[in-house]
Amino acid sequence: DAGVIQSPRHEVTEMGQEVTLRCKPISGHNSLFWYRQTMMRGLELLIYFNNNVPIDDSGMPEDRFSAKMPNASFSTLKIQPSEPRDSAVYFCASSLRRDSYNEQFFGPGTRLTVL
Amino acid sequence: AQSVTQLGSHVSVSEGALVLLRCNYSSSVPPYLFWYVQYPNQGLQLLLKYTSAATLVKGINGFEAEFKKSETSFHLTKPSAHMSDAAEYFCAVRGNEKLTFGTGTRLTIIP
Repeated sequence: DAGVIQSPRHEVTEMGQEVTLRCKPISGHNSLFWYRQTMMRGLELLIYFNNNVPIDDSGMPEDRFSAKMPNASFSTLKIQPSEPRDSAVYFCASSLRRDSYNEQFFGPGTRLTVL
Repeated sequence: AQSVTQLGSHVSVSEGALVLLRCNYSSSVPPYLFWYVQYPNQGLQLLLKYTSAATLVKGINGFEAEFKKSETSFHLTKPSAHMSDAAEYFCAVRGNEKLTFGTGTRLTIIP
């Protein structure tokens, strides 16, 4: 299994530009999670999906952030417009929503720098 | 709501010495607890998990953790540190399908 795939691995953009981060979960997994990691705030859950449906987006910082999961094998996290304070590492994780412990498998992350 | 607290943001141990990383949890229901490891420039990888089957849980790379309800703790240990153990370690608790992570402990191994 290839694991969770994220692209791009690194993104450098200028303030005001639109940024799209992509994630391919592990085949067969039906839950997908987007996290953000910064030095100041640690690891934060932004949003998660079950069976392609957004369940909890309470962690999305503001309306500039949006996430979609059009099918079971693809999800995007979009920031429009981007700001320097959005600079962080964004992780995608997936799990099989089958039993209680729901082990999450993480992708390698996308390091976003907004200038 | 569930939460975890990791004591010590940085821990340094000598190679071959005991590793002890502390995690205390708060949960209104029997918790599901996890330890993840993050190597530089990589995502998080599951080390071990507690799911109420046994209080002493063995994980990968020689790590283990013991669930102590009376102390609300789930500390991570390894008898003998190796240079390759240098990484950041996160304790997490599951609640309502979400994982809540601690702030992490950076482990440094001294040669």
